[in-house]
Amino acid sequence: GAGVSQSPSNKVTEKGKDVELRCDPISGHTALYWYRQSLGQGLEFLIYFQGNSAPDKSGLPSDRFSAERTGGSVSTLTIQRTQQEDSAVYLCASSLGVSRVGTGELFFGEGSRLTVL
Amino acid sequence: DAKTTQPPSMDCAEGRAANLPCNHSTISGNEYVYWYRQIHSQGPQYIIHGLKNNETNEMASLIITEDRKSSTLILPHATLRDTAVYYCIVRVGANAGKSTFGDGTTLTVKP
Repeated sequence: GAGVSQSPSNKVTEKGKDVELRCDPISGHTALYWYRQSLGQGLEFLIYFQGNSAPDKSGLPSDRFSAERTGGSVSTLTIQRTQQEDSAVYLCASSLGVSRVGTGELFFGEGSRLTVL
Repeated sequence: DAKTTQPPSMDCAEGRAANLPCNHSTISGNEYVYWYRQIHSQGPQYIIHGLKNNETNEMASLIITEDRKSSTLILPHATLRDTAVYYCIVRVGANAGKSTFGDGTTLTVKP
């Protein structure tokens, strides 16, 4: 597709279950970001991937959260043993990520809304 | 990334210009100012960015002060569909790593 694709768009799970959220970035974009947005709040940075470099995991809130990016393309965000406070919209974005000064526009997906009961 | 400060909310009359301010007093010389907006229940959308010169595109204009410590996003003729949360961020550019979004400004365009 032309844009960033995320799935599922909505996920309802029970407390304690594991969930996986998928992000398919724009083809050719080497940079990929995950953000979390709780109801009525701004965007909270979670993790950033750039090419083959080690990801910047500095925003992950706990060790229950992890993410991987296979083959430099699709990324999966995994939340283990979900808690009610994990309920939020999880947004993925990608960008060209090459050294073209002045670029850096982030293209966002529509998000995955997670509800933990 | 430098931090930004924006007013939490603003109102604007339909058809009038909306001027959204952003303070980024700790911006570095190689950091750009980017603006995004998020319409309810959608992912954020890029609007415009600039380094030090004023910029204009089909969506908006960006005015950056000479000392680069603040900027203003201008929507010249606001419509009801411009009601959204507007985020101002600063980042180095393409290979900039994580970008920190604040809480943004909720712009409400009123008929």
